[in-house]
Amino acid sequence: KAGVTQTPRYLIKTRGQQVTLSCSPISGHRSVSWYQQTPGQGLQFLFEYFSETQRNKGNFPGRFSGRQFSNSRSEMNVSTLELGDSALYLCASSPKPRTGSGYTFGSGTRLTVV
Amino acid sequence: GDSVTQMEGPVTLSEEAFLTINCTYTATGYPSLFWYVQYPGEGLQLLLKATKADDKGSNKGFEATYRKETTSFHLEKGSVQVSDSAVYFCALSIDYGGSQGNLIFGKGTKLSVKP
Repeated sequence: KAGVTQTPRYLIKTRGQQVTLSCSPISGHRSVSWYQQTPGQGLQFLFEYFSETQRNKGNFPGRFSGRQFSNSRSEMNVSTLELGDSALYLCASSPKPRTGSGYTFGSGTRLTVV
Repeated sequence: GDSVTQMEGPVTLSEEAFLTINCTYTATGYPSLFWYVQYPGEGLQLLLKATKADDKGSNKGFEATYRKETTSFHLEKGSVQVSDSAVYFCALSIDYGGSQGNLIFGKGTKLSVKP
């Protein structure tokens, strides 16, 4: 059974650009959550999608957005990149939303903003 | 608000030493508590969990007991191995009447075990 797949693994972008990250959940999982991991702030919840609808959202500015497709794959987008957006972005999938420990995490996309 | 505080690392131990990583929490509702582990270059893996007071979670020799009176969930292992070297995260999620909210993590504790 394939795990959660995140692409790309590494990205380097310039300040002011935008970026799109992709997450393919485990087959049969319909909920996808996104987390940002930085040395200073640790792991912070961005948002959760289920059935193509955002079900829960963390405390991040509107530059951070996401969406989910009918096949449960999800993308997150960050517009007008800032140096502080450099982080490891983790995606997690579960069969349904709000299941606490029922999440399987991907290996992440490491974004570097220069 | 809800939060998790765990001891800062790094923690360096010799193989077969006893491990304790402290974790305390603040929660407005009824939390479930978790320990996750992150090996280099990988995502998070659930290590163990406890969903109510006095529950003990255990896995791979690691244990943690949900202590409501001290709002703590300390991680312990009696004899660590080099392969246990990783970053450990304590986390909670709030029980909203049958469903759980998103995970709230501590800052993580890096453990290095030397042969």
